[in-house]
Amino acid sequence: DIQMTQSPSSLSASVGDRVTITCRASQSISSYLNWYQQNQGKAPKLLIYAASSLQSGVPSRFSGSGSGTDFTLTISNLQPEDFATYYCLQTYSSQWTFGQGTKVEIK
Amino acid sequence: QVQLVQSGAEVKKPGASVKVSCTASGYTFTSYGFTWVRQAPGQGLEWMGWISAYNGNTNYAQKFQGRVTLTTDTSTSTAYMELRSLRSDDTAVYYCARAIVVVTDAFDFWGQGTMVTVSS
Repeated sequence: DIQMTQSPSSLSASVGDRVTITCRASQSISSYLNWYQQNQGKAPKLLIYAASSLQSGVPSRFSGSGSGTDFTLTISNLQPEDFATYYCLQTYSSQWTFGQGTKVEIK
Repeated sequence: QVQLVQSGAEVKKPGASVKVSCTASGYTFTSYGFTWVRQAPGQGLEWMGWISAYNGNTNYAQKFQGRVTLTTDTSTSTAYMELRSLRSDDTAVYYCARAIVVVTDAFDFWGQGTMVTVSS
């Protein structure tokens, strides 16, 4: 199976900060990478698909980049509602796998 | 508007089976697939499998092969996930999500989650 490794596992940031989360695949997955946001006790929400495409209705402060094995989710101008856990997901192979998650906390 | 409504919480004994439902509305049911994802308490997301609502084709995570069955009922626009031979480590919130193909597969709408507790 393709392993997805996110870093960091958690981070502390302030409102207005720029935050970057990284996801690394154990082998090339082209651009078959999605990003999800999960608030405590809620279902996940799709933010980015195909590595860099913004899902409809998602604020433009979220952006994704990368291809192959290294991917990045960037949140510019962090807002209070952005404090959540973020997961990457690869759908390149037939066995889809999530990263372990990155928790963004308030500094 | 698209909605996925899941069945209620379940408490099961080890060795039993559980069947969770996910009723869709607001779109053409057979135009998309469903995926199932679970989350153990305090843990991350774990993909379980995918089913096409168009033709019933399935793709299961190897970890759950032989123990999980995904089905759909087009007459009621409902997807089902059945997990057998339950163990205590199957205690988790189980989510259904609509699976779309936008260059890649992605899950754009999610159910509210169903808590399954396995305890003797």
